[in-house]
Amino acid sequence: GNSVTQMEGPVTLSEEAFLTINCTYTATGYPSLFWYVQYPGEGLQLLLKATKADDKGSNKGFEATYRKETTSFHLEKGSVQVSDSAVYFCALKSGGSYIPTFGRGTSLIVHP
Amino acid sequence: ETGVTQSPTHLIKTRGQQVTLRCSSQSGHNTVSWYQQALGQGPQFIFQYYREEENGRGNFPPRFSGLQFPNYSSELNVNALELDDSALYLCASSLARQGANTGELFFGEGSRLTVL
Repeated sequence: GNSVTQMEGPVTLSEEAFLTINCTYTATGYPSLFWYVQYPGEGLQLLLKATKADDKGSNKGFEATYRKETTSFHLEKGSVQVSDSAVYFCALKSGGSYIPTFGRGTSLIVHP
Repeated sequence: ETGVTQSPTHLIKTRGQQVTLRCSSQSGHNTVSWYQQALGQGPQFIFQYYREEENGRGNFPPRFSGLQFPNYSSELNVNALELDDSALYLCASSLARQGANTGELFFGEGSRLTVL
């Protein structure tokens, strides 16, 4: 079946540091991949997505590249801000399923 | 454009009681999914409704049931509440064609249920 594995958090960084949150997946077929973000007290919001191999999704300074050979979709940002503090969820949806599968989430804490 | 709204935002129940949670989908969306998010965990899929019919279900017992109405709003009902049902319940809407969506979900802020 489908599964998503994310690095455990919390990830604690100083403002303007470089961010990487690792995500690897197992899926049948050729899934679409997503990163969602959940700010404190809110629901999840789609951050970025990629639908085929070598696609790069980007939004708000965050990027992730769909790597089929390593089954990975790592989230990166060159310079984090305090306002980026949130929980980040990697997710996938394979073509044969109606339903996205989510990882457990990685908490990011950015200090001034 | 109206986003996804859920009610109530917080509620407390006792073991054995029943609860109904409500969700209004985003304007133009025809599909609603419900997720359970325990503290520190990712969302776990409960079920999905498309055109008023359940068209996908996760690993949850039958005491978790739902409805979708002609205006695409939805309810989640949980009977015989257990302590482990304490969680944030998230509703997500999307636009699907022939029952299949792109995977892009628009979430509400959730209903936090505490079972004592």
